Amino acid sequence: KQEVTQIPAALSVPEGENLVLNCSFTDSAIYNLQWFRQDPGKGLTSLLLIQSSQREQTSGRLNASLDKSSGRSTLYIAASQPGDSATYLCAVRRSSGAGSYQLTFGKGTKLSVIP
Amino acid sequence: DTGVSQDPRHKITKRGQNVTFRCDPISEHNRLYWYRQTLGQGPEFLTYFQNEAQLEKSRLLSDRFSAERPKGSFSTLEIQRTEQGDSAMYLCASSFRKLGSGAVDGYTFGSGTRLTVV
Repeated sequence: KQEVTQIPAALSVPEGENLVLNCSFTDSAIYNLQWFRQDPGKGLTSLLLIQSSQREQTSGRLNASLDKSSGRSTLYIAASQPGDSATYLCAVRRSSGAGSYQLTFGKGTKLSVIP
Repeated sequence: DTGVSQDPRHKITKRGQNVTFRCDPISEHNRLYWYRQTLGQGPEFLTYFQNEAQLEKSRLLSDRFSAERPKGSFSTLEIQRTEQGDSAMYLCASSFRKLGSGAVDGYTFGSGTRLTVV
């Protein structure tokens, strides 16, 4: 059974700092990995999607990397802003077989960027 | 059509009542998913449709839960005889995959329906 772990559970940083969020997964047979943002009481907003054949994806100040063999992904946020404060969720999709259309989520990292 | 729509946004119901939620996916998306999220946890998979066919169901989906996607468009999730443990955010997502197109198969989530059972 796939398990996804996100470390740290919570992070507080001053505005302008660069930061890294970590995601690890136990089964490396994944189809893709997706990072989401969730504001309190809201739905999920997709940030970056990395296919299993890719090593990284970038969007603006965000960069996500994937090391499938070691079961790890990182989300790098450059020059953090108070508006980045949210919970960041990592989710993996299995590559084949039963359950391959499901996403397995971590519990998220709650980020607070202090002005 | 700019995203996945869910209705209602919030629902408060008394224990034992039935509730129904609606999800309208992105129009060209052929896959639709329901997830449930409780406080402090990541979303958990409930069920998946490809067009109108329900192809996967989680063990979380007890016999009090039923989901439909008539005509492969919108979907409904019904919970019968609600219990306090059903209180959660119910999230709908959709995605698209056309064989051979090379299209990226990422998920788009709606804003969710927050259910409170009192």
